[in-house]
Amino acid sequence: EIVLTQSPGTLSLSPGEGATLSCRASQRVSSSYLAWYQQKPGQAPRLLIYGASSRATGIPDRFSGSGSGTDFTLTISRLESEDFAVYYCQQYGSSPPVTFGGGTKVEIK
Amino acid sequence: QVQLVESGGGLVKPGGSLRLSCAASGFTFSDYYMSWIRQAPGKGLEWVSSISSSDSTIYYVDSVKGRFTISRDNTKNSLYLQMNSLRAEDTAVYYCATWTGGFDPWGQGTLVTVSS
Repeated sequence: EIVLTQSPGTLSLSPGEGATLSCRASQRVSSSYLAWYQQKPGQAPRLLIYGASSRATGIPDRFSGSGSGTDFTLTISRLESEDFAVYYCQQYGSSPPVTFGGGTKVEIK
Repeated sequence: QVQLVESGGGLVKPGGSLRLSCAASGFTFSDYYMSWIRQAPGKGLEWVSSISSSDSTIYYVDSVKGRFTISRDNTKNSLYLQMNSLRAEDTAVYYCATWTGGFDPWGQGTLVTVSS
């Protein structure tokens, strides 16, 4: 099973600052199958990034994804008030076919 | 618009059963892999099960194998999850989601509580 470890667990930042979220896999992950999600309290997750670096429909360009192999990064260039949420990475392809990271909470400092 | 709506959650005793449903609209349901993903209260996301577009391929997380059964009816644009022998640790919000290279869209979720 591929284990995804997200760091940090919590990121305390101010609006306007940049955020860098890490997702490290225990084995190589195909870049085609690495995704990032945003979840706000009481809401379903929303797809932000798929294929490691492609933005989903309607996602602002302040969100970007990068990485390959076992190390992936979600970058938010300038935090806006609506970006404070929990972020999850997810991989598809190994058995079991889907695993999620434990999440990173981005909170207002 | 593209929409997934789950139903069927509720309170059930340990050892009991529930059947969750997910009604899809706004897209060609029969073209897509579908999945169930759950989230225990205050916890992260856990993938539960997936089924291919023609239901020829099915996957489960180990913790539900032999207890849960995923199915779909492409004529009704619906996805199902039959949950038997429920345990306290199955308590969670259950989401259905479409695989499009990432999970998108997601339904709003349905809460399953397993408690005596």
